[in-house]
Amino acid sequence: GQQVMQIPQYQHVQEGEDFTTYCNSSTTLSNIQWYKQRPGGHPVFLIQLVKSGEVKKQKRLTFQFGEAKKNSSLHITATQTTDVGTYFCAGRRGGATNKLIFGTGTLLAVQP
Amino acid sequence: GAVVSQHPSWVICKSGTSVKIECRSLDFQATTMFWYRQFPKQSLMLMATSNEGSKATYEQGVEKDKFLINHASLTLSTLTVTSAHPEDSSFYICSARESYRGTAAYERVNQPQHFGDGTRLSIL
Repeated sequence: GQQVMQIPQYQHVQEGEDFTTYCNSSTTLSNIQWYKQRPGGHPVFLIQLVKSGEVKKQKRLTFQFGEAKKNSSLHITATQTTDVGTYFCAGRRGGATNKLIFGTGTLLAVQP
Repeated sequence: GAVVSQHPSWVICKSGTSVKIECRSLDFQATTMFWYRQFPKQSLMLMATSNEGSKATYEQGVEKDKFLINHASLTLSTLTVTSAHPEDSSFYICSARESYRGTAAYERVNQPQHFGDGTRLSIL
């Protein structure tokens, strides 16, 4: 079945350092979404990417959708302690499929 | 913004009990709702897709007689864990996708999906 993998599984950075998580799908995606989940919380929607090669920015966060629409990345510049949490990508295939398949997630720890 | 209310947020009950979890879209209509399950330190696993007025579509390996889903209105879906056992203990999260009244399938499947706060189920 469709799989969405993320690397790394876990990253520990010093506050101020940059962070990147990569998302790879075994199949082409119609769109990809990114979520952040704080410990004990529920996933919170961050952004959706739809177009091939699309790049979107939200303050210190930069999201990219690959040209082949099978991979994506999230880059955080100058991490802060408030960035702590697990970042999930979630993708949908094209056509009538309406399922959102979550990636394996990357847990970010930020040391002050 | 769109709000999805999930209730209860925490349940502790004895083995053999059936537990009902409600998922409501508060300020939008949701033709489709999704039920996920998340084990500690793991990703969200889709259990089933719930469509208003029709039977739910279950993912492979999910027992439909164990996890009963009802989506009787455009704002409410329920998940009932029947005869729950300790191995059913988990974090259950619902998600609702805004209804789209147009005809473009592309737009319909790309409507925003909003998550509830989740329900922590502990079976003793």
